[in-house]
Amino acid sequence: DGGITQSPKYLFRKEGQNVTLSCEQNLNHDAMYWYRQDPGQGLRLIYYSQIVNDFQKGDIAEGYSVSREKKESFPLTVTSAQKNPTAFYLCASRDRGSRSTDTQYFGPGTRLTVL
Amino acid sequence: LAKTTQPISMDSYEGQEVNITCSHNNIATNDYITWYQQFPSQGPRFIIQGYKTKVTNEVASLFIPADRKSSTLSLPRVSLSDTAVYYCLSPLTGANNLFFGTGTRLTVIP
Repeated sequence: DGGITQSPKYLFRKEGQNVTLSCEQNLNHDAMYWYRQDPGQGLRLIYYSQIVNDFQKGDIAEGYSVSREKKESFPLTVTSAQKNPTAFYLCASRDRGSRSTDTQYFGPGTRLTVL
Repeated sequence: LAKTTQPISMDSYEGQEVNITCSHNNIATNDYITWYQQFPSQGPRFIIQGYKTKVTNEVASLFIPADRKSSTLSLPRVSLSDTAVYYCLSPLTGANNLFFGTGTRLTVIP
């Protein structure tokens, strides 16, 4: 089955610790994205990558870091510098095609809770 | 920016048709309008996409007037399982990501 996987589904972290969220896709998509969603809110873009070894900051990149060493993988690290990291994190990917018909495919999400 | 505006919430009884309208006054000439559905604790999923006039699939219909400054998602005969948040999106001009606002929270009542 083609799709996007995120792990773990639930993650607990102590304050001051870094934690890495996994995102893998086998759709052969060029672009990948990380979003954060807080309760009752929409999605906010953290980072995105349009090609391997390249990534750009989104609207709320502070306290987060990413890497894109392989086309199918786009891990997100939540650092201790992120002051309010408890949230639902969503990874998405998009085929490089017409930007006009942009359609993103989402993973199941990781719920991060800071204790 | 092709930012969209849609109602924050809507309620509907089971079996009724639901229409959710979205305004996108600054949509670019070549851009499509895409609607997503999100259930609690899940990622959004694609529902329907259109450029102009009407598009229909097994889930919904999308109506887009000639001026393309708005669009209406139509869900026929909703059921309780249609309770979700619905997002209307169009690509941001000059960017390569979609802008997700707060969406419309649809609650279907028995």
